[in-house]
Amino acid sequence: EAGVTQFPSHSVIEKGQTVTLRCDPISGHDNLYWYRRVMGKEIKFLLHFVKESKQDESGMPNNRFLAERTGGTYSTLKVQPAELEDSGVYFCASSPRDRASGANVLTFGAGSRLTVL
Amino acid sequence: AQSVTQPDIHITVSEGASLELRCNYSYGATPYLFWYVQSPGQGLQLLLKYFSGDTLVQGIKGFEAEFKRSQSSFNLRKPSVHWSDAAEYFCAVGANTGGFKTIFGAGTRLFVKA
Repeated sequence: EAGVTQFPSHSVIEKGQTVTLRCDPISGHDNLYWYRRVMGKEIKFLLHFVKESKQDESGMPNNRFLAERTGGTYSTLKVQPAELEDSGVYFCASSPRDRASGANVLTFGAGSRLTVL
Repeated sequence: AQSVTQPDIHITVSEGASLELRCNYSYGATPYLFWYVQSPGQGLQLLLKYFSGDTLVQGIKGFEAEFKRSQSSFNLRKPSVHWSDAAEYFCAVGANTGGFKTIFGAGTRLFVKA
């Protein structure tokens, strides 16, 4: 079984430019999450998709961030325009729907490191 | 709101020595608790989880963790550390709040010396 795939692994852009990060979850996983880690800090929740619907986007920092999951498969996270403070590692994770426990056990991708200069 | 505290930013242990990584959480109800590990260049990998039942849970790679409700803690332990255990470890709490959300601590980086 293929894992969670993220692309690109590293992106270096200048302030004001646009970057789009992509996440391919494990096939069949309804739940898809985006997280971000700024250097040395905790891994912060950004948003949660259930299939193509946004279940919770309370962690999105501001309207410069746009996440989509068309068709309920892969997801993109666009940052436009990028600012210096957007630098960090963006993780994607997916999970099947677990009716028994009610919990989602996440499988993570390797992350996309974003550097904004 | 849920939160997770990992008091130790980094820990150094000798190979073969025992290890305990501390984790405290804040959550009003019975939490779902997790430990993840991240090795360089890799994604986070689940070590173990606690949902209910026996408060001592076993995980992969010889790790275990104990849930102590009275202390709001979920410390990770390993009796004998191997050099390959050097990595960053994250404690997390999950909760059903409309949708299921997992909240992470800041991580503890483990260094292993020969």
